[in-house]
Amino acid sequence: DQQVKQNSPSLSVQEGRISILNCDYTNSMFDYFLWYKKYPAEGPTFLISISSIKDKNEDGRFTVFLNKSAKHLSLHIVPSQPGDSAVYFCAASSNTGNQFYFGTGTSLTVIP
Amino acid sequence: DAGITQSPRHKVTETGTPVTLRCHQTENHRYMYWYRQDPGHGLRLIHYSYGVKDTDKGEVSDGYSVSRSKTEDFLLTLESATSSQTSVYFCAISESGGAAGYGYTFGSGTRLTVV
Repeated sequence: DQQVKQNSPSLSVQEGRISILNCDYTNSMFDYFLWYKKYPAEGPTFLISISSIKDKNEDGRFTVFLNKSAKHLSLHIVPSQPGDSAVYFCAASSNTGNQFYFGTGTSLTVIP
Repeated sequence: DAGITQSPRHKVTETGTPVTLRCHQTENHRYMYWYRQDPGHGLRLIHYSYGVKDTDKGEVSDGYSVSRSKTEDFLLTLESATSSQTSVYFCAISESGGAAGYGYTFGSGTRLTVV
């Protein structure tokens, strides 16, 4: 059973506009969340994280928002750039667990 | 990625043959993972290790076995490869599993084709 879901397989955004990628989870024990970015023929690379004690974390153009009551997190990219075109995975874990659970990914295309 | 290497990067094999993929790390991390990536399924955990000779199954472990005899090496074996195991395989390492403040570092992947 998929504990982390990314319901949008793909997203297209114009360069300079905001990209919003969404992620939902079902396990209320999850308390740490990551976003990874993946280019073709490469391994995923860490992008940004958030723990459940916060509802927002910002790093440059990237901001992650966490809504614990809704079990929902989102990644905002502002402004979007063509180099942001990649597959984005969200992942979640509980502090007592041994692994992260990954979503199915959202393929972002930023159109110049 | 620095500190983690996968070999081979590409492999084509025939149905029914055994295949072993290798993951090697130089970070001395306790946790190592094998994932497969398939369209529509994202990253699915096959097996993971939380120490030398300590391994556990993931959600798609059928048809796969693993071994970890040294901290730095984690081997994934397909005992008898099937076409459904055609995929891209990623190894990942972590200092502390799923604990807050720690994430994974992924290798560059192995593209396996079973014909």
